[in-house]
Amino acid sequence: VQLVESGGGLVQPGGSLRLACAASGFTFSRYEMNWVRQAPGKGLEWLSYISNSGRTIYYADSVKGRFTISRDNAKNSLYLQMNTLRAEDTAVYYCARDLIVGALDLWGQGSLVTVSS
Amino acid sequence: QSVLTQPPSASGTPGQRVTISCSGSSSNIGSNTVNWYQQLPGTAPKLLIYSNDQRPSGVPDRFSGSKSGTSASLAISGLQSEDEADYYCAAWDDRLNGVVFGGGTKLTVL
Repeated sequence: VQLVESGGGLVQPGGSLRLACAASGFTFSRYEMNWVRQAPGKGLEWLSYISNSGRTIYYADSVKGRFTISRDNAKNSLYLQMNTLRAEDTAVYYCARDLIVGALDLWGQGSLVTVSS
Repeated sequence: QSVLTQPPSASGTPGQRVTISCSGSSSNIGSNTVNWYQQLPGTAPKLLIYSNDQRPSGVPDRFSGSKSGTSASLAISGLQSEDEADYYCAAWDDRLNGVVFGGGTKLTVL
């Protein structure tokens, strides 16, 4: 049972990046999923939620209009499309499984995104 | 500035009991359950307590949670050196339509 993020890296301000989260060992389509990030030396910041069907989506105000969450249940994968990136988006990005509302019981190892020129 | 308020630090000696507080409002803790996470240095967060006072499988019963009104607490009894970590409270916020976290509490075992 695990989540594995990929797609992080160095990107210039204003650029785009797409993170992926591969799920294995459990029935991915049954679970709501989230993205959470942690800036260097800072606390946890929730970014986005997607229901198991993909029909319900929520975003934090800090990323609304710039980031898009999506999922492909056939591929057991979660995505985060990040556009118009800013220096303050530099962080480790985690995907996390929702046990019940707001209780994230399975986390990936994290993917580092660095926004810098 | 985090939506949920936690003390930035806490400390205790081995064997001691330590509590960490988490204060919120009617739109988050006041109307939804509280969850606690433990983050060891360099690792991903781990769910420690969910639904105010429930422990996931594998979490020692030294860890307990409680909630009253718009506040919650995490208690760690029989403190051990491996408990040294950052602890975060979290809850769903009905006004923001999202999960809100506390700023985190760094626990030091003296």
